[in-house]
Amino acid sequence: AQSVTQLDSQVPVFEEAPVELRCNYSSSVSVYLFWYVQYPNQGLQLLLKYLSGSTLVKSINGFEAEFNKSQTSFHLRKPSVHISDTAEYFCAVRRDRGGSNYKLTFGKGTLLTVNP
Amino acid sequence: GAVVSQHPSRVICKSGTSVKIECRSLDFQATTMFWYRQFPKQSLMLMATSNEGSKATYEQGVEKDKFLINHASLTLSTLTVTSAHPEDSSFYICSARDQGAPYFGPGTRLTVL
Repeated sequence: AQSVTQLDSQVPVFEEAPVELRCNYSSSVSVYLFWYVQYPNQGLQLLLKYLSGSTLVKSINGFEAEFNKSQTSFHLRKPSVHISDTAEYFCAVRRDRGGSNYKLTFGKGTLLTVNP
Repeated sequence: GAVVSQHPSRVICKSGTSVKIECRSLDFQATTMFWYRQFPKQSLMLMATSNEGSKATYEQGVEKDKFLINHASLTLSTLTVTSAHPEDSSFYICSARDQGAPYFGPGTRLTVL
């Protein structure tokens, strides 16, 4: 079984400041990792994914995350946030192969609030 | 990326009635879809895995007779909340996998009066 820990339930920052949302996972098998963003009253949008290859993955809107296998982490970073980045962010993990269900395990989420 | 749609986006019903929620993969086929429930300010809780052409697999503690799932085609899964009660009020979200990554629908807000 897998588990995901998002250490910060809320992260308030000022506009244009850098931000890091932390995510650690636990698994006895190799995993795929994901970050999702959820705006109020909306579904989840896939922000980033690590399936294989380069451990540093980037999104089109400036977010990036780095898979660190030794530290079992997949922290999300952005060098300069905008007010529009205010949302709930969920880290999720899934085993990379085997198991027909491809179940995702979610962290509890981190509410990022960007203040002017 | 892949697109998953849900209908309706929100529904209000009276206690005791049944509500059907549709989940569609618009530009890909999905042999497996997932149904989640999300309570306010909480993470998603997996309710069941919907398998095309076979019975759904329910997570522990989820009543299969309460939450009926049908996955009749490769692009459509439905969740029916039977005899809904106020405690069933929640945000229901479906997901389908495309090229290794799970994509989520926009969610359905169910309010049972």
